[in-house]
Amino acid sequence: AQSVTQLGSHVSVSEGALVLLRCNYSSSVPPYLFWYVQYPNQGLQLLLKYTTGATLVKGINGFEAEFKKSETSFHLTKPSAHMSDAAEYFCAVSAMNRDDKIIFGKGTRLHILP
Amino acid sequence: GAGVSQSPSNKVTEKGKDVELRCDPISGHTALYWYRQSLGQGLEFLIYFQGNSAPDKSGLPSDRFSAERTGGSVSTLTIQRTQQEDSAVYLCASSSRGGEGETQYFGPGTRLLVL
Repeated sequence: AQSVTQLGSHVSVSEGALVLLRCNYSSSVPPYLFWYVQYPNQGLQLLLKYTTGATLVKGINGFEAEFKKSETSFHLTKPSAHMSDAAEYFCAVSAMNRDDKIIFGKGTRLHILP
Repeated sequence: GAGVSQSPSNKVTEKGKDVELRCDPISGHTALYWYRQSLGQGLEFLIYFQGNSAPDKSGLPSDRFSAERTGGSVSTLTIQRTQQEDSAVYLCASSSRGGEGETQYFGPGTRLLVL
């Protein structure tokens, strides 16, 4: 079975500062890992995903995440926050060799301080 | 269509009434998913369709919830005898084949409020 834990339901950073959103997963088989973003009153949009290969994954809007198997982590980072990054971010996991049911974390709301 | 669409965008109903929520997936996508998003609870998986069949109904919270998909396209999620705890945002997503690691594309959701 898979599970996802996002540390911090709310994170605040100043504009221009580093963004770090933490995600740890649990999976009994090799995982696929995702970060989705949800802007107010909208559906979820894929930021990036890890399937196989390079463990550092680059996504849209300057975000990237690194799959660290030894730490069972897939933290999301962006070097410099922008006001438009204010949104809710969801980490998710699905498993190889199974149907692609995705398990989502509870989300982290990112606030950008001017 | 260009993206996943859902209707209505908002629904207010009285406790005990039935509601139907509709999802139009991206044209050609064979896999379709329903999720429920409650405040502070993240996304809760409800049901997954591959074509018209539902191999995974494990997330439906009670027998008041049902879903169908016809013609491998449009899906409806029906909630009978709504309760206040059913109030949430109901999200629909589709993906091309439902294969491993595939991206799911989400609609904007239906906000359901049960009074």
